[in-house]
Amino acid sequence: DAGVTQSPTHLIKTRGQQVTLRCSPKSGHDTVSWYQQALGQGPQFIFQYYEEEERQRGNFPDRFSGHQYPNYSSELNVNALLLGDSALYLCASSLRGVVAVPNTGELFFGEGSRLTVL
Amino acid sequence: QKEVEQDPGPLSVPEGAIVSLNCTYSNSAFQYFMWYRQYSRKGPELLMYTYSSGNKEDGRFTAQVDKSSKYISLFIRDSQPSDSATYLCAMSHTGGGNKLTFGTGTQLKVEL
Repeated sequence: DAGVTQSPTHLIKTRGQQVTLRCSPKSGHDTVSWYQQALGQGPQFIFQYYEEEERQRGNFPDRFSGHQYPNYSSELNVNALLLGDSALYLCASSLRGVVAVPNTGELFFGEGSRLTVL
Repeated sequence: QKEVEQDPGPLSVPEGAIVSLNCTYSNSAFQYFMWYRQYSRKGPELLMYTYSSGNKEDGRFTAQVDKSSKYISLFIRDSQPSDSATYLCAMSHTGGGNKLTFGTGTQLKVEL
């Protein structure tokens, strides 16, 4: 049973560039969320996708956008990169957008994509 | 002030010790409380989940929630070197979907 897979695992960009990160959810899951984890910090919620629509959004600017495909996979796009965007970007999946309900809504995280902006 | 406060450590204990990890929070709407473990260069994995107040035990791990004090704890008994990791508390409110609010994480090292 494949867990949450993310690509690429590492990437380096320069300021002003654009980046696309990809995520495949755990088998059977239909909801994908993205989190940003800066060094030494806890993850911060960016947004959540369910049924190919953004359902919730955290306190992130419009430079951060996403997409969910019919197969439930998802992309995170960041435009006009800033040095402060350097972080580990985590994808998490769950079933039916329900969090923290034992055995049904558990949130599974991938290993992340580490972005460095120079 | 952050919604969730967590002592970042690092915390170093000898093998076999009882470890106590804590978080405080300010948002009284939080109803779901979780502890995640994150090994270096890995994604967080769910350790414990608690709804509302009370205690929950799973093997060597015990999670406690005191909503009146807005305080949650994770206890690890008979700590092992394999427990060395960063422990993140996280919480959510009803209807919050997958929007979890995390603490900064406490780095734990269990030494032989």
